Amino acid sequence: GENVGLHLPTLSVQEGDNSIINCAYSNSASDYFIWYKQESGKGPQFIIDIRSNMDKRQGQRVTVLLNKTVKHLSLQIAATQPGDSAVYFCAEGGGATNKLIFGTGTLLAVQP
Amino acid sequence: EPEVTQTPSHQVTQMGQEVILRCVPISNHLYFYWYRQILGQKVEFLVSFYNNEISEKSEIFDDQFSVERPDGSNFTLKIRSTKLEDSAMYFCASSRAGFSGNYGYTFGSGTRLTVV
Repeated sequence: GENVGLHLPTLSVQEGDNSIINCAYSNSASDYFIWYKQESGKGPQFIIDIRSNMDKRQGQRVTVLLNKTVKHLSLQIAATQPGDSAVYFCAEGGGATNKLIFGTGTLLAVQP
Repeated sequence: EPEVTQTPSHQVTQMGQEVILRCVPISNHLYFYWYRQILGQKVEFLVSFYNNEISEKSEIFDDQFSVERPDGSNFTLKIRSTKLEDSAMYFCASSRAGFSGNYGYTFGSGTRLTVV
């Protein structure tokens, strides 16, 4: 069945360190992947996306890596800041549907 | 930057009552969605809407739920007879297009529904 999951429910890092958040997906028909940041009481906020014809995409301080062979997605945040503290969700979509399937979320806690 | 607007931000209702959650999608978007998030859990898809009809719905979206686009700007989710387990954050989202293009999938800030 469809399953998007995260390996680490909580990640604690020191301010200034790099963070890596991982996600596994199982729907091989998915061809679009998004990372969202969710702060308390707010809706998912788009961070970065990647299509299945790419294996890496960079944004400002963030990089998404896609490994289709093992169905793995990761989000790298460079020089993590206290404002990065939030829950991060991966989501997959594509194929014959417009819906997004979300993973269970990773809480990133940045220690000053 | 364009936003998806949801009202109210918090709704408390008694079990068995009907509630209507309201959303104003981004104006040039064509696809509309409702998702929900039970406290501490992941975001779950409920329904997608395109060209004035439901294009897809999940198992959660049973006969108690309905959606409507009553005019050119609003998109509503109605729960006919609320149950305790309907308590959750409900997120509206909209996108310009399907996954064939750059579609700017954007979420609103949500409505927290509490059923008592």
